[in-house]
Amino acid sequence: QVQLVQSGAAVKKPGASVKVSCEASGYSFTSCDINWVRQAAGQGLEWMGWMNPNSGNTGFAQTFQGRVTMTSNISISTAFLELSSLTSDDTAVYYCARGVRSDNYYYNMDVWGKGTPVTVSS
Amino acid sequence: DIQMTQSPSSLSASVGDRVMVTCRASQSISNYLNWYQQKPGKDPKLLIYGAFSLLSGVPARFSGSGSGTDFTLTISSLQPEDFATYYCQQSYSTPYTFGQGTKLEIK
Repeated sequence: QVQLVQSGAAVKKPGASVKVSCEASGYSFTSCDINWVRQAAGQGLEWMGWMNPNSGNTGFAQTFQGRVTMTSNISISTAFLELSSLTSDDTAVYYCARGVRSDNYYYNMDVWGKGTPVTVSS
Repeated sequence: DIQMTQSPSSLSASVGDRVMVTCRASQSISNYLNWYQQKPGKDPKLLIYGAFSLLSGVPARFSGSGSGTDFTLTISSLQPEDFATYYCQQSYSTPYTFGQGTKLEIK
């Protein structure tokens, strides 16, 4: 079955970087986008950006421009999110989600990873 | 950026009730509107895409409507497993913004 398996929880100090992985299985990794969404405790969902593993194209929310990198390794069907210059405001659960265009029009995120908790604390 | 506003932020209802959650976009997004369900400690689940198309396997008591700027998620007869938080999301243009969520609680 289609699934996205994310790396485990991370604890980082302010100013550091974190790299989260998302391994895809059950479908052709290069045929769909990977989106990254985060959620702080008790808060809503915040879309961070997308990447296409086939082309390497990416797009980010303005909030994260300059300190986010989204990459992939096609040989291991894995996408990566790296966020730098961490502050306590970056403490959240980070989700990867498959992006598909249903009915050839409607972009949505139909499969999600279980999330990676990232804690930023001194 | 397109702002998405859901109402209400929270809602108390009973099993068997008909419930409606609304979502308003700050500009027209045609039908590029998705609905997700999230239970505590779990990842979000896609319910509806394209404003009204039910994902395969989602119970028919869920339905979506609307176009342009105003959208509605309706649950025709609430079941115990439906108590969760619901999010709308526009996929008309990046950034693909979410509404703030509607928490559906048991009355």
